[in-house]
Amino acid sequence: TQLLEQSPQFLSIQEGENLTVYCNSSSVFSSLQWYRQEPGEGPVLLVTVVTGGEVKKLKRLTFQFGDARKDSSLHITAAQPGDTGLYLCAGQHLWGGTASKLTFGTGTRLQVTL
Amino acid sequence: GAVVSQHPSWVICKSGTSVKIECRSLDFQATTMFWYRQFPKQSLMLMATSNEGSKATYEQGVEKDKFLINHASLTLSTLTVTSAHPEDSSFYICSAREASWLYNEQFFGPGTRLTVL
Repeated sequence: TQLLEQSPQFLSIQEGENLTVYCNSSSVFSSLQWYRQEPGEGPVLLVTVVTGGEVKKLKRLTFQFGDARKDSSLHITAAQPGDTGLYLCAGQHLWGGTASKLTFGTGTRLQVTL
Repeated sequence: GAVVSQHPSWVICKSGTSVKIECRSLDFQATTMFWYRQFPKQSLMLMATSNEGSKATYEQGVEKDKFLINHASLTLSTLTVTSAHPEDSSFYICSAREASWLYNEQFFGPGTRLTVL
């Protein structure tokens, strides 16, 4: 059972447009990570958010962790073809100082065309 | 970020044979390694978690006798697909983390594409 639902599942936009990807859960996570994966490669870590309400920026990418630490969003400004890929959120619990396994979201496939 | 490698990057084998995939942490000691499976256009599915020097913990539905995992050192874990069949064809990805890392991030290898004929 997927505990993290991402929306949209697929997004095709033109270069220069803005977009937001959502990652929602009914569970509270200790931390949440965003990855980007290109075809035939492993996921690459983009960011880790750990505090409710936290906002982190990575160039044109803005990540936000929900106040209740149940959801997160990724906003891309002025998308470029190089942003094309599969975006995955992944939540993690921390119990007594021990980290759990990652629970991956359903994924959002982004295609940016010229 | 930390670097994780996998070998081979792709492999084609005949049905009934066994295939071993290696996962190495190149610049850190991986106290925990994870093995995932990914089908086309889908998210990652965790197969098993392995801690150095102990037996792997398999996810529900994953056959431990078919997918043998060995984490013999802090830099190497192996996944052996035994008696492979066409339905085992998939993209296998490992990840690793070090216990001392503040946010317990996992860093992923580049994946191994297995095709069973």
